[in-house]
Amino acid sequence: GQQLNQSPQSMFIQEGEDVSMNCTSSSIFNTWLWYKQDPGEGPVLLIALYKAGELTSNGRLTAQFGITRKDSFLNISASIPSDVGIYFCAGRDSGTYKYIFGTGTRLKVLA
Amino acid sequence: DGGITQSPKYLFRKEGQNVTLSCEQNLNHDAMYWYRQDPGQGLRLIYYSQIVNDFQKGDIAEGYSVSREKKESFPLTVTSAQKNPTAFYLCASTSGVDGEKLFFGSGTQLSVL
Repeated sequence: GQQLNQSPQSMFIQEGEDVSMNCTSSSIFNTWLWYKQDPGEGPVLLIALYKAGELTSNGRLTAQFGITRKDSFLNISASIPSDVGIYFCAGRDSGTYKYIFGTGTRLKVLA
Repeated sequence: DGGITQSPKYLFRKEGQNVTLSCEQNLNHDAMYWYRQDPGQGLRLIYYSQIVNDFQKGDIAEGYSVSREKKESFPLTVTSAQKNPTAFYLCASTSGVDGEKLFFGSGTQLSVL
């Protein structure tokens, strides 16, 4: 089945550092979503993007909808230990109700 | 509280047994989804339903079945034909009114005895 390419797969960072991750697709999407998942729990929606070029923030998180509509980026500024978890991107297939997910970025923050 | 409720949290299946995972939402969402997550992996779409009495196969529908008799309920049955059922199962729902935001339940961990 189709999955989006998400990078990096994992990263260790120091507390206070900024983090960047991205997601790419071979298909055009109308919607990009970013989630955080803790172990044994469902993903929690962080940011939703609906237009090419759109830049949206949620606290220390900022995400962008790529102008080609085939990619999206998430930045976390001044990371803290509770940012630890798995971050997923998801795109809605144009013309359908299907949401396709990335493979995830596992973030570990060193205090 | 509005939300998506999945039950049970943990489920065990014996060889040759069918098991059903429950998903109920009180968000008045039209579309509902089932995803499978394997350890260290992303989410893969099993089935989705845009409206009552209609559903479509996702990328890994073999060995699974669903029904959508009510707007608020979308149960998933893992049949004996699914030879590798151990996984974390996630139910989600969305409505265009919410700007196409997809919300998830807390998941069901299915294991084989």
